[in-house]
Amino acid sequence: GAGVSQSPSNKVTEKGKDVELRCDPISGHTALYWYRQSLGQGLEFLIYFQGNSAPDKSGLPSDRFSAERTGGSVSTLTIQRTQQEDSAVYLCASSLQWDQETQYFGPGTRLLVL
Amino acid sequence: GQQVMQIPQYQHVQEGEDFTTYCNSSTTLSNIQWYKQRPGGHPVFLIQLVKSGEVKKQKRLTFQFGEAKKNSSLHITATQTTDVGTYFCAGRGGTSYGKLTFGQGTILTVHP
Repeated sequence: GAGVSQSPSNKVTEKGKDVELRCDPISGHTALYWYRQSLGQGLEFLIYFQGNSAPDKSGLPSDRFSAERTGGSVSTLTIQRTQQEDSAVYLCASSLQWDQETQYFGPGTRLLVL
Repeated sequence: GQQVMQIPQYQHVQEGEDFTTYCNSSTTLSNIQWYKQRPGGHPVFLIQLVKSGEVKKQKRLTFQFGEAKKNSSLHITATQTTDVGTYFCAGRGGTSYGKLTFGQGTILTVHP
């Protein structure tokens, strides 16, 4: 079946602009996760959803970052007033349930802020 | 908060040599997962360990979970060029349900 998909695959934006990143999880997966990976670095947890609610938002770097999930499916990660340090690959993952489950990763969105 | 340290950061080996990466958590984990990320790709799940002292094998890969459930290792026997990539451990702690804390990863280079 289809895996996790993300769009756009690449995004170049100017400093100060807002961007929206989209994630389509695997059908039937109730848990969805957002991570950020800077060049040559590990994965930085941002936020996760169980259904439409986000029990853990502790990883969001600042109040410029927000995320929502509707219908228990698609999620969007919004970055307002982008800064150059926001440049990274944003990875989305989903799992069948939130606990004790494998996470399946999407291909990521490569964001470059000029 | 929970921290997961992974060493070494880089490892260069000749094809046929063995490779090991180690993962240590600051807190006891409920389970630990291992992922592989090829250059330019996204992380792909390899395995999950849940039980104290658990050992699992996948062909040339051997995964161990420590008795205290605070450390883990991945050992590759007789590396091949197809093994190149970054290997991440990711731990799930008792108070962070759903959240996986990733180690920094070990970048493996295999020279033919």
